[in-house]
Amino acid sequence: GNSVTQMEGPVTLSEEAFLTINCTYTATGYPSLFWYVQYPGEGLQLLLKATKADDKGSNKGFEATYRKETTSFHLEKGSVQVSDSAVYFCALTQGGSEKLVFGKGTKLTVNP
Amino acid sequence: GAVVSQHPSWVICKSGTSVKIECRSLDFQATTMFWYRQFPKQSLMLMATSNEGSKATYEQGVEKDKFLINHASLTLSTLTVTSAHPEDSSFYICRRSRRNTENTEAFFGQGTRLTVV
Repeated sequence: GNSVTQMEGPVTLSEEAFLTINCTYTATGYPSLFWYVQYPGEGLQLLLKATKADDKGSNKGFEATYRKETTSFHLEKGSVQVSDSAVYFCALTQGGSEKLVFGKGTKLTVNP
Repeated sequence: GAVVSQHPSWVICKSGTSVKIECRSLDFQATTMFWYRQFPKQSLMLMATSNEGSKATYEQGVEKDKFLINHASLTLSTLTVTSAHPEDSSFYICRRSRRNTENTEAFFGQGTRLTVV
């Protein structure tokens, strides 16, 4: 079945550091890929998405590229801020289905 | 602003009691809502799909008599954890189905942290 594997946290960085959170997936066909973010005390929010191979999703300085050859969708940001402290979830859907399959989540803490 | 409101955000209850969690769609009459559960350091796992006017569809391994889902209106779905036990302590989160125009966006509630003592 479909699955998502993302790097385990927690990840602790200093402000302005470079961030990478790895995400790989297992799926048949061409899933749509997502990163969701959960700020403390809040629900999940869509951060970015990509629906086909080689697409790059971007938002708020975060980027992720849909790599079919490596079945990956790694999240990157060049310079993190304290306000980026949150839990990040990689997820996929398949074939127009509304069922989201999530990774375990990675907690990011950014220190001033 | 929020399009899905989930209440309560946290609850502590005694073992053996029941707890009801509400999920409201604020901007859209959602015929379908989804309920997830998250264990510490684990993924969000889909528990069930709530359908307005019909029975919920439960994922394999989820006890439907334990986790009662009611979707009585197009804007409200409830999850009741019956006879709660400490192993039911978890983070529960709902999301509403998307409109046709929303493509792949998904809107979640704020989540409910349940602690059973």
